[in-house]
Amino acid sequence: EVHLVESGGGLVQPGGSLRLSCSTSGFTLSSYWMHWVRQAPGKGPVWLSRISTDGSSISYSDSVKGRFTISRDNAKKTVFLQMNSLREEDTALYYCTREVIVGVSAGDAFDIWGQGTMVTVSS
Amino acid sequence: QSAPTQPRAVSGSPGQSVTISCTGTSGEIDRYDYVSWYQQHPGKAPKLLIFNVDKRPSGVPDRFSGSKSGDTASLTISGLQAEDETDYYCCSYSGSYTYVFGTGTKVTVL
Repeated sequence: EVHLVESGGGLVQPGGSLRLSCSTSGFTLSSYWMHWVRQAPGKGPVWLSRISTDGSSISYSDSVKGRFTISRDNAKKTVFLQMNSLREEDTALYYCTREVIVGVSAGDAFDIWGQGTMVTVSS
Repeated sequence: QSAPTQPRAVSGSPGQSVTISCTGTSGEIDRYDYVSWYQQHPGKAPKLLIFNVDKRPSGVPDRFSGSKSGDTASLTISGLQAEDETDYYCCSYSGSYTYVFGTGTKVTVL
């Protein structure tokens, strides 16, 4: 069965850093583009970042560009999100999600989601 | 990018059909055929219902259908059931390998 399990969340002060991990199982990670999405309490999801199968192509939303870094280790079946210069508005549940494959290409939608890891930025 | 606009709430009786709209704010929905829809129950992760405007993943009931006209995408739920009462979000590709989720719609089954 396909699973994504996020970890690394917690309470951090403004300006601090956290590194989130997304451990995958049940599929070949190296075949899939992966994403991070967050959701603040009571709000809708917000897309953050995308990484290609081999890590050579990466993109970010304007809200986190320059502060967050996505990476992956296919051998360890894990995707990461390094978060620096954290702000109170970064407080949210952070999801790792897999991009669907349509035919032989990435499909611009998210078919598998983890349960999320909570990040709270507060002094 | 600004979030595509969805109605805050829609409602319908069991067995009826409801349609949720998703209107782009920067032309992204008109420009690309990469609109997806997600259902999210409280305390759960979003679930993919529709991708590429009108494609259903395996396991999603055919009561859920998607369409697009110009800069507005739509999700229609036919034969509304009690378990359909929850939140729904659209998501669109917005160029340069970035994506934007809609504002969200709460569906109430009367």
